Amino acid sequence: AQSVTQLDSHVSVSEGTPVLLRCNYSSSYSPSLFWYVQHPNKGLQLLLKYTSAATLVKGINGFEAEFKKSETSFHLTKPSAHMSDAAEYFCVVSEVGGFKTIFGAGTRLFVKA
Amino acid sequence: EADIYQTPRYLVIGTGKKITLECSQTMGHDKMYWYQQDPGMELHLIHYSYGVNSTEKGDLSSESTVSRIRTEHFPLTLESARPSHTSQYLCASSESRGQPQHFGDGTRLSIL
Repeated sequence: AQSVTQLDSHVSVSEGTPVLLRCNYSSSYSPSLFWYVQHPNKGLQLLLKYTSAATLVKGINGFEAEFKKSETSFHLTKPSAHMSDAAEYFCVVSEVGGFKTIFGAGTRLFVKA
Repeated sequence: EADIYQTPRYLVIGTGKKITLECSQTMGHDKMYWYQQDPGMELHLIHYSYGVNSTEKGDLSSESTVSRIRTEHFPLTLESARPSHTSQYLCASSESRGQPQHFGDGTRLSIL
């Protein structure tokens, strides 16, 4: 069975400081993992995806995530936060070739000036 | 970039009305999905489709229904709206199972 846990419901950082949004997953099969961002009154936008290639995945807007199988983690990072990064972030796990896609509960990122 | 469109973006309507939320995509994706999302909360899958004439209920029970007569079109209907249906509804599509989903901007529905 698959599951995904976003360890923080809220994260607050100052502009220009690093961002870390944590995600742990469980999957019986080789998973595909995704991070999405949702700005207010908008749909979800794909930030990056892991599909069993390189374990360090680079995404849009300077975000990246590292797949760590031993820790069953897929944390999202960014070296320097920008005000425009303030949004809701969702970690998602999906079985390769399978149907089930599981969304995490989301982490709201606040960026202080 | 993904092309998936939802209309209307916002709808405020009275109890008992019949509502259809539209969702169209121009990518030729077979897989389409409807999610319900309350403000600041997680997404709940309410319907999905593998292709034309295929529809299934999702994890969250919903009084809504869907149809898939054409690949690009996946409308959601509420026969008699109630205040408990107030929520945001997000439509998505994907090329195949396990691939990233592309989302519309959602319909924010308020039932008075």
